Amino acid sequence: RKEVEQDPGPFNVPEGATVAFNCTYSNSASQSFFWYRQDCRKEPKLLMSVYSSGNEDGRFTAQLNRASQYISLLIRDSKLSDSATYLCVVNLSNTGKLIFGQGTTLQVKP
Amino acid sequence: DAGVIQSPRHEVTEMGQEVTLRCKPISGHNSLFWYRQTMMRGLELLIYFNNNVPIDDSGMPEDRFSAKMPNASFSTLKIQPSEPRDSAVYFCASTPGHVPYGYTFGSGTRLTVV
Repeated sequence: RKEVEQDPGPFNVPEGATVAFNCTYSNSASQSFFWYRQDCRKEPKLLMSVYSSGNEDGRFTAQLNRASQYISLLIRDSKLSDSATYLCVVNLSNTGKLIFGQGTTLQVKP
Repeated sequence: DAGVIQSPRHEVTEMGQEVTLRCKPISGHNSLFWYRQTMMRGLELLIYFNNNVPIDDSGMPEDRFSAKMPNASFSTLKIQPSEPRDSAVYFCASTPGHVPYGYTFGSGTRLTVV
């Protein structure tokens, strides 16, 4: 079983749509959680951290369910520029080591 | 700040040749990570260093791969001999400490072994 699992998609949505991505992780000792964004042929970049109480950054909302070992990302009012691959990322035991999911591809269409 | 600098950006080599990938972390960052990304396996951590010392190399696929960090501003990942299945994008990343925050990736080296 992979340590971090995501639905690879692709998710094809129209502009303005709301889309949600889910992620599960296998190690209950995981301490920190993140969503990264990766554009085609570019490096991954931090989108947002995920906090236990859930957190929002503009159109983006992240939630964590430790009991179910489940993380989600909600994007409201999708823009064309949101088209990218979204990587679910988990950190074990507060070391610097990050474990990446394989990513979910989003394509926002006009 | 120039960010994490990797070289070369692209490398095409023949099977059996030695390949050396280079990384300069952000000044002041004392943790450095080498990742490999393929379509099949996604982003895999190969090895990471803290204060120039290798901490975890459990992701290094086999003895053909080796990594060094001779000083705080430079690291290399070497593949000898290279094989076609090593074709991937290799990313280097650095962070300011032994923590998961402030991760910055380089632009990557796209390696093709023919």
